[in-house]
Amino acid sequence: SQQGEEDPQALSIQEGENATMNCSYKTSINNLQWYRQNSGRGLVHLILIRSNEREKHSGRLRVTLDTSKKSSSLLITASRAADTASYFCATVGANAGGTSYGKLTFGQGTILTVHP
Amino acid sequence: DTAVSQTPKYLVTQMGNDKSIKCEQNLGHDTMYWYKQDSKKFLKIMFSYNNKELIINETVPNRFSPKSPDKAHLNLHINSLELGDSAVYFCASSQGTGVLGSPLHFGNGTRLTVT
Repeated sequence: SQQGEEDPQALSIQEGENATMNCSYKTSINNLQWYRQNSGRGLVHLILIRSNEREKHSGRLRVTLDTSKKSSSLLITASRAADTASYFCATVGANAGGTSYGKLTFGQGTILTVHP
Repeated sequence: DTAVSQTPKYLVTQMGNDKSIKCEQNLGHDTMYWYKQDSKKFLKIMFSYNNKELIINETVPNRFSPKSPDKAHLNLHINSLELGDSAVYFCASSQGTGVLGSPLHFGNGTRLTVT
């Protein structure tokens, strides 16, 4: 079964607003990554957070990780029309011998639309 | 310069045909992947090679055969194409395997349509 699940499935906001996307997963992880996919393009890596970290920042991006709740959130502050894309979380399983060990497993993504 | 390049970008073919998708990366990475993205945007790993050795082989029909002639190339050959094979196929690369937490660099995908 799929490891990561994003919420909401779709998010529509105005330029300048903040966008928050959530990701939940099922098994112990080694790390969690967020990717962006523009229409018709490949995925682009945004940020990686390891299982022993709780928060990371990169420019307008802020990622949190709560391993006790098996969840992560991606916050994009002061959104721009150019942020319109699908956002995916992906996890690498930590349990050797588990089906997700060593593999980057993706959720189905959140479609973010930022209106100018 | 494109870091991970796949060809062709679009592939339209009939059921029963055999086709190949090529992938090359110029990042010097040692690990390459094939992912399949379905119409609902769900991305599923198919194969992974590390230093030309197959390390991940998901439950994929044996009509799909990857080949890695060297660390910079990973090709995907598909025999006897079926309607359900229609999807976007992404090649990706990373330095080290997933356990090390290396981010993946993706190509722009090959949209395969089987009619």
